[in-house]
Amino acid sequence: AQSVTQPDIHITVSEGASLELRCNYSYGATPYLFWYVQSPGQGLQLLLKYFSGDTLVQGIKGFEAEFKRSQSSFNLRKPSVHWSDAAEYFCAVGARRYGNEKLTFGTGTRLTIIP
Amino acid sequence: DAGVIQSPRHEVTEMGQEVTLRCKPISGHNSLFWYRQTMMRGLELLIYFNNNVPIDDSGMPEDRFSAKMPNASFSTLKIQPSEPRDSAVYFCASSLAHLDRGRSGYEQYFGPGTRLTVT
Repeated sequence: AQSVTQPDIHITVSEGASLELRCNYSYGATPYLFWYVQSPGQGLQLLLKYFSGDTLVQGIKGFEAEFKRSQSSFNLRKPSVHWSDAAEYFCAVGARRYGNEKLTFGTGTRLTIIP
Repeated sequence: DAGVIQSPRHEVTEMGQEVTLRCKPISGHNSLFWYRQTMMRGLELLIYFNNNVPIDDSGMPEDRFSAKMPNASFSTLKIQPSEPRDSAVYFCASSLAHLDRGRSGYEQYFGPGTRLTVT
């Protein structure tokens, strides 16, 4: 069974600083990988996804993530955060099996931006 | 394009009452998922359907919870009788396996959620 670990429950970053949110997964092969963002009172919005190919994927809002097979990681990065990036971020893993498109989500990392 | 639609957005009910949450997935999507989110337990998958058939309901807490998908454009999650511990935000999501720049995969799109309060 697949699993996801987000080791950081809460991260505080200054506006304009760079950001990296960590995600580690456990899966028997190369999974599908996702990052979602949830603003207060909102649903989850897809930031980016990795299916195969180029291990550095670009997403919306200036985010990117890099798949590292050797480290079983899919960390999310942004070179310069904005106050509007304050939210909860979820990493998710999915199996490469159609008809069974269940995602396993991490526990989330809450991002606080300080001026 | 319309996203996943959920109704109602907020529901307040008394313990013992029946609650029905509704979801309309994105047109053309063939998988539908019901999640529950609480501070204590985070995001939990309750049940998911593929082509209107329940595939995995192992996350449904107990017999008080039931879900149906009578057709490709509508699903309900029912709680009967409701209890205060059912208070949570309930999300519906849908997906479709597809090709993205030549690579096959899928992603889930979430609705805005229904905030349920049981008093």
